[in-house]
Amino acid sequence: EDQVTQSPEALRLQEGESSSLNCSYTVSGLRGLFWYRQDPGKGPEFLFTLYSAGEEKEKERLKATLTKKESFLHITAPKPEDSATYLCAVQGGSGSARQLTFGSGTQLTVLP
Amino acid sequence: DAGVIQSPRHEVTEMGQEVTLRCKPISGHNSLFWYRQTMMRGLELLIYFNNNVPIDDSGMPEDRFSAKMPNASFSTLKIQPSEPRDSAVYFCASRRLANEKLFFGSGTQLSVL
Repeated sequence: EDQVTQSPEALRLQEGESSSLNCSYTVSGLRGLFWYRQDPGKGPEFLFTLYSAGEEKEKERLKATLTKKESFLHITAPKPEDSATYLCAVQGGSGSARQLTFGSGTQLTVLP
Repeated sequence: DAGVIQSPRHEVTEMGQEVTLRCKPISGHNSLFWYRQTMMRGLELLIYFNNNVPIDDSGMPEDRFSAKMPNASFSTLKIQPSEPRDSAVYFCASRRLANEKLFFGSGTQLSVL
């Protein structure tokens, strides 16, 4: 069974204070690791897909990296508008798993 | 592109009543997913369809839950009878192909009193 663990559960940063969110996973045959952002009252919004260890993706102040056991979402010089819950999900190759298994998320608050 | 459209946005009902949630996926998307989100359990997959055919419904909690996709542009999730523990946010999501990103709707906030 695929498993995803995200840490920390919650993170408070001052504006401009860089940090990283962690996503540890176990999966049979990783097909992809996905990062989503979720704002209150809205559905998750896609950020990145990573397919293999060593891969990196960047978007504005966010950079996602992937190893064989975990992924990091690095936030550089965050702004208050980066406040949201960040969800990690894996898509494995076992069973009927064309589905995503989500972690419980990291709630990020960036203070002005 | 209008995105994934869900209705209603909010639903408040009494225990024992039937609840129907609706979803219109993005045009051209072949797969549709129903998720439930709670504080305790996070995002859980309930069921998903490929080309309107249910592929995996192992996440459907019990026989009170049923889902249909009569055509490529419409799906329903029905709970009958509803119970307070069904209270959650229900999301519909769609994607064009496997291994591609999911697009989520804004969700239906369900409260069963």
